Amino acid sequence: DGGITQSPKYLFRKEGQNVTLSCEQNLNHDAMYWYRQDPGQGLRLIYYSQIVNDFQKGDIAEGYSVSREKKESFPLTVTSAQKNPTAFYLCASSPGQAIFYGYTFGSGTRLTVV
Amino acid sequence: AQKVTQAQTEISVVEKEDVTLDCVYETRDTTYYLFWYKQPPSGELVFLIRRNSFDEQNEISGRYSWNFQKSTSSFNFTITASQVVDSAVYFCALSMNRDDKIIFGKGTRLHILP
Repeated sequence: DGGITQSPKYLFRKEGQNVTLSCEQNLNHDAMYWYRQDPGQGLRLIYYSQIVNDFQKGDIAEGYSVSREKKESFPLTVTSAQKNPTAFYLCASSPGQAIFYGYTFGSGTRLTVV
Repeated sequence: AQKVTQAQTEISVVEKEDVTLDCVYETRDTTYYLFWYKQPPSGELVFLIRRNSFDEQNEISGRYSWNFQKSTSSFNFTITASQVVDSAVYFCALSMNRDDKIIFGKGTRLHILP
């Protein structure tokens, strides 16, 4: 079945460490997105990529980095510069313009800093 | 500025009651799309509906219905004869023609009590 796989489902990180969240899709979608969800804050866009080897900052990109070396993969690195990284992270993809197609979402990764 | 407001943070109703989730949006664009997503406890967001700005017809899908009114910039969602399985967080979202990303409201947590 086609879909988006995010791994791991739960992740614990010590303060000062970088950590990478995986997002893989087999939908052949061109665009991929990373959102962060905090209680009462809704979803906030971190980074997005419309084509391979290109990506743009979203509203809260500071302390995060991404790469898009393959169409299927869009990993997110949470760096030690991110001051409050504990959150639920959602990856999404779209076949083309999000306005026309909307998103397909993964099941998320819950990151906790210990 | 573009914005989506879901004023109801949390709603509780007894099973079989009807419930309406409110969504008010702001945009200066004339071409835009509105979405509703459901987030069950598993965490993955599920697409419910997409509506473009030129189509003000109301839509019904089973127990779900949507009321789009440009005059009040609202896109409300009604669940008729609610069921416990409808318990989830519901997000309203907006996308403009000139952007390739979706802006989400903060969500409404819906509790259906047996």
